[in-house]
Amino acid sequence: GEDVEQSLFLSVREGDSSVINCTYTDSSSTYLYWYKQEPGAGLQLLTYIFSNMDMKQDQRLTVLLNKKDKHLSLRIADTQTGDSAIYFCAESLYNQGGKLIFGQGTELSVKP
Amino acid sequence: SAVISQKPSRDICQRGTSLTIQCQVDSQVTMMFWYRQQPGQSLTLIATANQGSEATYESGFVIDKFPISRPNLTFSTLTVSNMSPEDSSIYLCSARYYEGKIQETQYFGPGTRLLVL
Repeated sequence: GEDVEQSLFLSVREGDSSVINCTYTDSSSTYLYWYKQEPGAGLQLLTYIFSNMDMKQDQRLTVLLNKKDKHLSLRIADTQTGDSAIYFCAESLYNQGGKLIFGQGTELSVKP
Repeated sequence: SAVISQKPSRDICQRGTSLTIQCQVDSQVTMMFWYRQQPGQSLTLIATANQGSEATYESGFVIDKFPISRPNLTFSTLTVSNMSPEDSSIYLCSARYYEGKIQETQYFGPGTRLLVL
């Protein structure tokens, strides 16, 4: 079945780059998303990438997609303490009406 | 970006009662969804709210427990019926927007935090 995997924790120092990784299983995915959830809040859409793209850059965020390996990454440049949150990747399943399958979430901790 | 609001933002309920959660989106959308996020967990799709017809439920979720309404293209409700402590979760509304011909984005509301005693 469909599955999305993420590492659970990442700790970085302020000013460093963070790289959050995600693997997925369904080759019919059309869009892949990154969401941010701060404590007590809902999900904020950070960025997304269409499956025919390799890379997308949006200010401090860079998304890399390796479709052959079904690997997605989110790089946050110059990480700040305000970036501390849980980051979810999600794949959109073309064969199931665009249903989103979420990873477990990666908790990013940014230390000053 | 889209604006999605939910009411209530949180509630504490007694077991055996029901709670209806409302979701309002800022523009007409074809597809609205309801998700559940259990404590410390990821998101699980409960159902797709279809305008003018019955909702489509995912495996493990049934209409009697989670009745959904979708009276128009900007509004939906989810009811959590006959609640038990296991229903304590965050319930999130989501809507899919099409930006341009092929780009689709899916936004989420702020969530409703439910605690069942």
